[in-house]
Amino acid sequence: DTAVSQTPKYLVTQMGNDKSIKCEQNLGHDTMYWYKQDSKKFLKIMFSYNNKELIINETVPNRFSPKSPDKAHLNLHINSLELGDSAVYFCASSQGRAASSYEQYFGPGTRLTVT
Amino acid sequence: AQSVTQLDSHVSVSEGTPVLLRCNYSSSYSPSLFWYVQHPNKGLQLLLKYTSAATLVKGINGFEAEFKKSETSFHLTKPSAHMSDAAEYFCVVSEGNTGFQKLVFGTGTRLLVSP
Repeated sequence: DTAVSQTPKYLVTQMGNDKSIKCEQNLGHDTMYWYKQDSKKFLKIMFSYNNKELIINETVPNRFSPKSPDKAHLNLHINSLELGDSAVYFCASSQGRAASSYEQYFGPGTRLTVT
Repeated sequence: AQSVTQLDSHVSVSEGTPVLLRCNYSSSYSPSLFWYVQHPNKGLQLLLKYTSAATLVKGINGFEAEFKKSETSFHLTKPSAHMSDAAEYFCVVSEGNTGFQKLVFGTGTRLLVSP
């Protein structure tokens, strides 16, 4: 069974479109994250939710809006896509919100290409 | 702010020879440090973590890392490389207080293993 799953795996779209990426975890964790990995493999956190509450919101354009309908899901909606949004987006989850104490489990990633 | 510096963007070794991936950290207090591995087109997996217990930390797949406060280093080693070790390795530090911790990633080191 896949612990952290993301759909779709690949997403190719045009500038200006709106798209969503879905993430689900079946580990019973209460904290979920979205990370962005750029073309140079640099990985940076975007958002973190704990029990459906937003606890980390990095300096991300407000075109990006996370939504957590329940503890097992954290979706990422992106409005008005730009070329610079092209990246691999990773979802992750952990048992608790203390990053030093709880291992984060990563999904396989969604490769977004904006043309 | 906490940060990590991975000194090598690429490391090439022959199968059966030792692996050394270097990481230096910057932290105003005793940090929690991690090594994550990313195999091609896969999500990230935790190799090992240091959280102020034993300074020599053993991880999965024969990897280990030693926390050296005097050198502000957390280098990753393995006595004998295997072809399956070829991947991207990230040194990571946790930042923030318990309620709002986040992981800060280094820029990654690509490990190449030749037969």
